[in-house]
Amino acid sequence: KNEVEQSPQNLTAQEGEFITINCSYSVGISALHWLQQHPGGGIVSLFMLSSGKKKHGRLIATINIQEKHSSLHITASHPRDSAVYICAVKSGGSNYKLTFGKGTLLTVNP
Amino acid sequence: DGGITQSPKYLFRKEGQNVTLSCEQNLNHDAMYWYRQDPGQGLRLIYYSQIVNDFQKGDIAEGYSVSREKKESFPLTVTSAQKNPTAFYLCASSRYGTGGSNQPQHFGDGTRLSIL
Repeated sequence: KNEVEQSPQNLTAQEGEFITINCSYSVGISALHWLQQHPGGGIVSLFMLSSGKKKHGRLIATINIQEKHSSLHITASHPRDSAVYICAVKSGGSNYKLTFGKGTLLTVNP
Repeated sequence: DGGITQSPKYLFRKEGQNVTLSCEQNLNHDAMYWYRQDPGQGLRLIYYSQIVNDFQKGDIAEGYSVSREKKESFPLTVTSAQKNPTAFYLCASSRYGTGGSNQPQHFGDGTRLSIL
């Protein structure tokens, strides 16, 4: 069974700070997703990656396949970044099934 | 704009009633999914469908039913057999990747179901 653990569960930052959210998983995967869920509940896909690093604006996602670990970084954080960030992994043998972490609640104060 | 539409946003159910949650997508995606989200837990898969007229149970299918008569639509019925239906329900879709290829999932805005 593939477990997905995120840390921290809750994170409070001041505007402008550099944010790191971590995700660890237990079995081999074919892809890892970072998702953002705003207070209204809708989810937006931020990144899908299977190796290396991806960058989009102030967001950076990295993955280390050997260590079974991924990080999501937010540079120059802003109150509008406040949301729940969710890590999800797709096992190598599955074409559809994602296993989700419980999420990290990020609050960025002005 | 292409996307996924879930309705209604809020839904209330009396004990013993079945209710149906709507999910429509205009992304021309083959696969569609239903997830349940409870406080403090990760999303859990209820049902998924890879093609029209076919669907498979996920991890927590008991007390739920689905249909996939059209590519665009994947309604979820929460039956009276679901003993703890109060939750946030999310629908998603993706292109069906063959040969193990990975496709991102696109999510709707969710439906919050409560028991009266």
